[in-house]
Amino acid sequence: NAGVMQNPRHLVRRRGQEARLRCSPMKGHSHVYWYRQLPEEGLKFMVYLQKENIIDESGMPKERFSAEFPKEGPSILRIQQVVRGDSAAYFCASSSGGGNSPLHFGNGTRLTVT
Amino acid sequence: DQQVKQNSPSLSVQEGRISILNCDYTNSMFDYFLWYKKYPAEGPTFLISISSIKDKNEDGRFTVFLNKSAKHLSLHIVPSQPGDSAVYFCAASARGATNKLIFGTGTLLAVQP
Repeated sequence: NAGVMQNPRHLVRRRGQEARLRCSPMKGHSHVYWYRQLPEEGLKFMVYLQKENIIDESGMPKERFSAEFPKEGPSILRIQQVVRGDSAAYFCASSSGGGNSPLHFGNGTRLTVT
Repeated sequence: DQQVKQNSPSLSVQEGRISILNCDYTNSMFDYFLWYKKYPAEGPTFLISISSIKDKNEDGRFTVFLNKSAKHLSLHIVPSQPGDSAVYFCAASARGATNKLIFGTGTLLAVQP
Protein backbone atom coordinates (compact mmCIF):
# COMPACT_ATOMS: atom_id res chain seq x y z
CA ASN A 1 0.00 0.00 0.00
CA ALA A 2 1.68 3.17 -1.20
CA GLY A 3 -0.78 5.48 0.55
CA VAL A 4 -0.35 7.61 3.64
CA MET A 5 0.09 5.29 6.61
CA GLN A 6 -0.94 6.30 10.10
CA ASN A 7 -0.55 4.33 13.29
CA PRO A 8 -1.96 3.42 15.59
CA ARG A 9 -5.52 3.49 14.25
CA HIS A 10 -6.93 3.74 17.74
CA LEU A 11 -5.18 5.05 20.83
CA VAL A 12 -6.57 5.20 24.34
CA ARG A 13 -4.81 7.30 26.95
CA ARG A 14 -5.66 8.33 30.51
CA ARG A 15 -5.63 12.01 31.38
CA GLY A 16 -2.07 13.18 31.97
CA GLN A 17 -0.40 10.58 29.76
CA GLU A 18 1.41 11.25 26.50
CA ALA A 19 0.09 10.37 23.05
CA ARG A 20 2.35 9.79 20.05
CA LEU A 21 0.81 9.58 16.62
CA ARG A 22 2.87 8.48 13.63
CA CYS A 23 2.52 9.21 9.94
CA SER A 24 4.45 7.90 6.96
CA PRO A 25 3.71 9.97 3.84
CA MET A 26 3.11 8.58 0.40
CA LYS A 27 6.23 7.48 -1.42
CA GLY A 28 7.88 10.47 -3.04
CA HIS A 29 6.02 13.01 -0.87
CA SER A 30 8.07 15.30 1.31
CA HIS A 31 5.30 17.57 2.61
CA VAL A 32 3.25 16.46 5.61
CA TYR A 33 0.21 18.06 7.18
CA TRP A 34 -1.67 17.23 10.36
CA TYR A 35 -5.37 17.92 10.74
CA ARG A 36 -7.71 17.28 13.67
CA GLN A 37 -11.41 16.49 13.51
CA LEU A 38 -13.40 17.02 16.65
CA PRO A 39 -16.84 15.36 16.91
CA GLU A 40 -19.47 16.99 14.66
CA GLU A 41 -16.89 19.33 13.12
CA GLY A 42 -14.85 19.58 9.97
CA LEU A 43 -11.12 18.95 9.80
CA LYS A 44 -8.97 21.74 11.21
CA PHE A 45 -5.41 22.43 10.11
CA MET A 46 -2.78 21.99 12.78
CA VAL A 47 0.70 21.99 11.26
CA TYR A 48 2.63 21.74 7.97
CA LEU A 49 6.09 20.19 7.89
CA GLN A 50 8.77 19.36 5.42
CA LYS A 51 11.74 17.16 6.22
CA GLU A 52 13.36 18.53 9.39
CA ASN A 53 11.42 21.79 9.15
CA ILE A 54 8.17 23.14 10.55
CA ILE A 55 6.75 25.39 7.84
CA ASP A 56 3.48 26.51 9.43
CA GLU A 57 2.29 25.62 12.92
CA SER A 58 -0.40 28.28 13.18
CA GLY A 59 -3.09 25.69 13.96
CA MET A 60 -1.25 23.99 16.79
CA PRO A 61 -2.37 24.64 20.37
CA LYS A 62 0.31 26.67 22.11
CA GLU A 63 0.98 24.13 24.84
CA ARG A 64 1.37 20.36 25.06
CA PHE A 65 1.36 19.77 21.27
CA SER A 66 4.44 19.33 19.11
CA ALA A 67 5.25 17.85 15.73
CA GLU A 68 8.34 16.73 13.92
CA PHE A 69 9.28 15.22 10.58
CA PRO A 70 12.85 13.93 10.92
CA LYS A 71 15.22 13.24 8.08
CA GLU A 72 14.62 9.51 8.57
CA GLY A 73 11.38 7.94 9.72
CA PRO A 74 7.79 9.02 10.05
CA SER A 75 6.33 12.32 11.12
CA ILE A 76 5.30 12.33 14.78
CA LEU A 77 2.53 14.35 16.42
CA ARG A 78 3.09 14.38 20.17
CA ILE A 79 0.54 15.42 22.75
CA GLN A 80 1.79 15.70 26.31
CA GLN A 81 -0.42 15.50 29.41
CA VAL A 82 -3.54 14.69 27.41
CA VAL A 83 -6.94 16.01 28.50
CA ARG A 84 -10.43 14.82 27.57
CA GLY A 85 -10.77 17.65 25.05
CA ASP A 86 -7.92 16.15 23.03
CA SER A 87 -10.17 13.21 22.10
CA ALA A 88 -10.55 13.46 18.33
CA ALA A 89 -9.57 11.92 15.02
CA TYR A 90 -6.13 13.08 13.90
CA PHE A 91 -5.47 12.90 10.18
CA CYS A 92 -2.15 13.15 8.43
CA ALA A 93 -1.91 14.16 4.78
CA SER A 94 0.97 14.41 2.35
CA SER A 95 1.63 16.08 -0.95
CA SER A 96 4.40 16.11 -3.49
CA GLY A 97 5.03 19.82 -3.24
CA GLY A 98 3.74 23.29 -3.60
CA GLY A 99 1.18 24.67 -5.95
CA ASN A 100 -2.21 23.03 -5.94
CA SER A 101 -1.12 19.40 -5.71
CA PRO A 102 -3.97 17.77 -3.76
CA LEU A 103 -3.49 16.39 -0.30
CA HIS A 104 -3.66 12.63 0.18
CA PHE A 105 -4.98 11.69 3.60
CA GLY A 106 -4.30 8.71 5.80
CA ASN A 107 -7.09 6.87 7.60
CA GLY A 108 -6.46 8.73 10.81
CA THR A 109 -5.73 7.93 14.43
CA ARG A 110 -8.71 8.07 16.77
CA LEU A 111 -7.49 9.26 20.16
CA THR A 112 -9.69 8.65 23.16
CA VAL A 113 -8.74 10.19 26.49
CA THR A 114 -10.38 8.57 29.51
CA ASP B 1 -15.64 31.92 12.93
CA GLN B 2 -16.67 29.36 10.30
CA GLN B 3 -15.14 30.58 7.03
CA VAL B 4 -16.46 27.62 5.03
CA LYS B 5 -20.05 26.61 5.65
CA GLN B 6 -22.03 23.61 4.58
CA ASN B 7 -25.49 24.36 5.85
CA SER B 8 -27.08 21.02 5.00
CA PRO B 9 -25.90 18.33 7.41
CA SER B 10 -27.52 15.64 5.31
CA LEU B 11 -29.06 14.96 1.91
CA SER B 12 -31.01 11.97 0.62
CA VAL B 13 -31.29 11.27 -3.12
CA GLN B 14 -32.66 8.44 -5.25
CA GLU B 15 -30.23 6.39 -7.29
CA GLY B 16 -29.88 7.77 -10.81
CA ARG B 17 -30.95 11.29 -9.85
CA ILE B 18 -28.75 14.34 -9.39
CA SER B 19 -27.14 15.13 -6.03
CA ILE B 20 -26.35 18.80 -5.38
CA LEU B 21 -24.17 19.66 -2.42
CA ASN B 22 -23.69 23.29 -1.48
CA CYS B 23 -20.96 25.27 0.19
CA ASP B 24 -20.61 28.96 1.11
CA TYR B 25 -17.48 30.82 2.11
CA THR B 26 -16.78 34.20 3.65
CA ASN B 27 -13.09 34.86 3.01
CA SER B 28 -12.51 36.72 -0.26
CA MET B 29 -8.84 35.67 -0.16
CA PHE B 30 -9.79 32.07 -0.94
CA ASP B 31 -8.78 31.23 -4.49
CA TYR B 32 -8.77 27.44 -4.61
CA PHE B 33 -11.60 25.13 -3.68
CA LEU B 34 -11.83 21.38 -3.30
CA TRP B 35 -14.31 18.66 -2.53
CA TYR B 36 -13.37 15.61 -0.49
CA LYS B 37 -15.39 12.49 0.12
CA LYS B 38 -15.11 10.54 3.36
CA TYR B 39 -16.32 7.07 4.30
CA PRO B 40 -16.59 6.08 7.98
CA ALA B 41 -13.27 5.11 9.58
CA GLU B 42 -11.32 6.31 6.53
CA GLY B 43 -9.51 9.49 5.63
CA PRO B 44 -10.92 12.04 3.20
CA THR B 45 -10.38 11.27 -0.48
CA PHE B 46 -9.84 14.07 -2.99
CA LEU B 47 -12.65 14.31 -5.53
CA ILE B 48 -12.42 17.47 -7.59
CA SER B 49 -11.09 21.01 -7.35
CA ILE B 50 -11.57 24.40 -8.95
CA SER B 51 -9.46 27.52 -9.16
CA SER B 52 -11.03 30.94 -8.73
CA ILE B 53 -10.22 31.79 -12.35
CA LYS B 54 -12.80 29.25 -13.48
CA ASP B 55 -16.51 28.89 -12.82
CA LYS B 56 -16.89 25.20 -13.66
CA ASN B 57 -14.82 22.06 -13.60
CA GLU B 58 -16.02 18.65 -14.65
CA ASP B 59 -14.65 15.16 -14.05
CA GLY B 60 -16.86 12.30 -15.10
CA ARG B 61 -20.03 12.28 -13.00
CA PHE B 62 -18.74 15.13 -10.81
CA THR B 63 -19.00 18.82 -11.64
CA VAL B 64 -18.07 21.71 -9.38
CA PHE B 65 -19.53 25.17 -9.97
CA LEU B 66 -18.09 28.33 -8.48
CA ASN B 67 -19.99 31.62 -8.12
CA LYS B 68 -17.42 34.10 -6.84
CA SER B 69 -19.81 37.03 -6.51
CA ALA B 70 -22.06 34.95 -4.25
CA LYS B 71 -19.10 33.22 -2.55
CA HIS B 72 -20.81 29.93 -3.25
CA LEU B 73 -19.81 26.64 -4.76
CA SER B 74 -21.68 23.46 -5.42
CA LEU B 75 -20.89 19.87 -6.29
CA HIS B 76 -23.17 18.06 -8.72
CA ILE B 77 -23.12 14.29 -8.95
CA VAL B 78 -25.06 12.81 -11.82
CA PRO B 79 -26.21 10.12 -11.96
CA SER B 80 -25.96 9.37 -8.25
CA GLN B 81 -25.01 5.83 -7.24
CA PRO B 82 -25.36 4.03 -3.89
CA GLY B 83 -21.56 3.93 -3.63
CA ASP B 84 -21.58 7.72 -3.53
CA SER B 85 -23.11 7.58 -0.05
CA ALA B 86 -20.53 9.26 2.19
CA VAL B 87 -19.77 12.55 3.92
CA TYR B 88 -18.70 15.28 1.51
CA PHE B 89 -16.44 18.07 2.70
CA CYS B 90 -15.94 21.36 0.94
CA ALA B 91 -12.52 22.95 1.52
CA ALA B 92 -10.83 26.19 0.52
CA SER B 93 -7.39 27.70 0.60
CA ALA B 94 -6.01 31.20 0.21
CA ARG B 95 -3.34 32.53 -2.10
CA GLY B 96 0.08 31.59 -0.74
CA ALA B 97 -1.31 28.93 1.59
CA THR B 98 -2.44 26.43 -0.95
CA ASN B 99 -2.46 23.35 1.23
CA LYS B 100 -3.59 24.96 4.44
CA LEU B 101 -7.15 23.91 3.80
CA ILE B 102 -10.17 25.29 5.63
CA PHE B 103 -12.86 22.62 5.75
CA GLY B 104 -16.60 22.86 6.08
CA THR B 105 -18.45 20.63 8.54
CA GLY B 106 -19.55 18.18 5.86
CA THR B 107 -22.78 16.94 4.31
CA LEU B 108 -23.83 13.31 4.69
CA LEU B 109 -25.16 12.10 1.33
CA ALA B 110 -27.36 9.01 1.28
CA VAL B 111 -28.17 7.61 -2.15
CA GLN B 112 -31.18 5.31 -1.94
CA PRO B 113 -31.28 2.33 -4.33
